[in-house]
Amino acid sequence: SAVISQKPSRDICQRGTSLTIQCQVDSQVTMMFWYRQQPGQSLTLIATANQGSEATYESGFVIDKFPISRPNLTFSTLTVSNMSPEDSSIYLCSVEGVSSGRYNEQFFGPGTRLTVL
Amino acid sequence: DAKTTQPNSMESNEEEPVHLPCNHSTISGTDYIHWYRQLPSQGPEYVIHGLTSNVNNRMASLAIAEDRKSSTLILHRATLRDAAVYYCIRGSQGNLIFGKGTKLSVKP
Repeated sequence: SAVISQKPSRDICQRGTSLTIQCQVDSQVTMMFWYRQQPGQSLTLIATANQGSEATYESGFVIDKFPISRPNLTFSTLTVSNMSPEDSSIYLCSVEGVSSGRYNEQFFGPGTRLTVL
Repeated sequence: DAKTTQPNSMESNEEEPVHLPCNHSTISGTDYIHWYRQLPSQGPEYVIHGLTSNVNNRMASLAIAEDRKSSTLILHRATLRDAAVYYCIRGSQGNLIFGKGTKLSVKP
């Protein structure tokens, strides 16, 4: 299993500012993912972050808006830049667990609840 | 595009079995069928997965149709703690694409 913590757990920000969300895992993992969950909605994948390479962004998400760092195998950050009220969401990181079998389940952090005024 | 279809909501009584259906008619031969659930104010958690055969674990059972175009998640005895949104996802590992899921309510 993997235990994931995120900081901050919640924040209220002013429009036009940026917020960096941290994701820490208690074990070394290759693949980390960032998701967004808008109010009352399902999760949407923002990007996949592998250590040592550029993050891969899903359609509709760009690096200028959501820069990601992945400096090592246990840590990643997601920055939400130049925020607007439409960015108000829960942001979750997840990792693919490592097992000896063929299937690796994903583990999710508790999320960061962001409100932009 | 989540490429799975689930009912928006279902209700169950406590201690009764619950069958949560999922349609994935465009599934490819190598796609897994994953089920995750999201309890209120928490991140999603893994429930079960399968490829071709029915699967059982301590949380649930997964019944997969012979043509793999549909599956059913079975909670054998629902508890109040099972109230959550249940997501059926088809695809490879990683890059999970979530649909809207089924919101399960459990009545005491």
